[in-house]
Amino acid sequence: NAGVTQTPKFRILKIGQSMTLQCTQDMNHNYMYWYRQDPGMGLKLIYYSVGAGITDKGEVPNGYNVSRSTTEDFPLRLELAAPSQTSVYFCASSSRRQGLPIPNQPQHFGDGTRLSIL
Amino acid sequence: AQKITQTQPGMFVQEKEAVTLDCTYDTSDPSYGLFWYKQPSSGEMIFLIYQGSYDQQNATEGRYSLNFQKARKSANLVISASQLGDSAMYFCAMDTGRRALTFGSGTRLQVQP
Repeated sequence: NAGVTQTPKFRILKIGQSMTLQCTQDMNHNYMYWYRQDPGMGLKLIYYSVGAGITDKGEVPNGYNVSRSTTEDFPLRLELAAPSQTSVYFCASSSRRQGLPIPNQPQHFGDGTRLSIL
Repeated sequence: AQKITQTQPGMFVQEKEAVTLDCTYDTSDPSYGLFWYKQPSSGEMIFLIYQGSYDQQNATEGRYSLNFQKARKSANLVISASQLGDSAMYFCAMDTGRRALTFGSGTRLQVQP
C-alpha cells in the first residue's frame, strides 16, 4: 500500500530558486493538505484542498502556491525560495464524509520532504 | 480560534512503566475530533488514537488510551507498559471540521531501559 507519496525526500535550494514538491495519494481521499514543520515545533498548515479544482489557504501560505487538478495529486510550488522556508514539508490526505457532525478520519501523512534554502 | 497546548516539552519514563502525556485544547466549536500522532526520529507521522467530542467512553487502542475530560478540555494520552520503541515525539491535534488539524508543539518521550 503506497498511501501518500512525497518526492523528493531531500533538497537543497539556493535563495531565489523555484521548485515543486510533489505529493500523490492512492486512497481516493478527497481532502489533501500541506504542512510545514520547523525544528522542535508542531506542524503548521500551508494550504489545503477539499477536492479537485478547489484549494484554500492555511495558516502560513505566503511564498507558496498549490494546484489540485486531480484527486490524486497536490503539488506545492515555491516560487522564490527564501531561508525562512527551510523546513520539513509534509503532505497529508484524509477522507471526509459530508453530513457527519464530527471529523473522525485521521490524516495519512507522507514521509516528508526535508528542504534547505542556502 | 482553535488551540492545542502541550506543556511537557520532554518526558522520561522507565521501560515497562506507564506514562501520561498532557494535552489541553481550546475551541468554541461543539463538535471536534482529537488525535494523537507519534513522530519517531525517522520523521514520519503515525496516527495513534482518536477521540470524538461526543464520545461517551475514552478511546483505547492497544497500549494507548486517551483520558478525555471534556469539561476541563483535556485529552491526555496514556501509554501503558512503555517500550524502548515508544521513544519519539508525540503530537496532540484537533480537527473541528473547519479546515485541517491544529497541532500542539509536541512532547518528546524518552523511554529508559
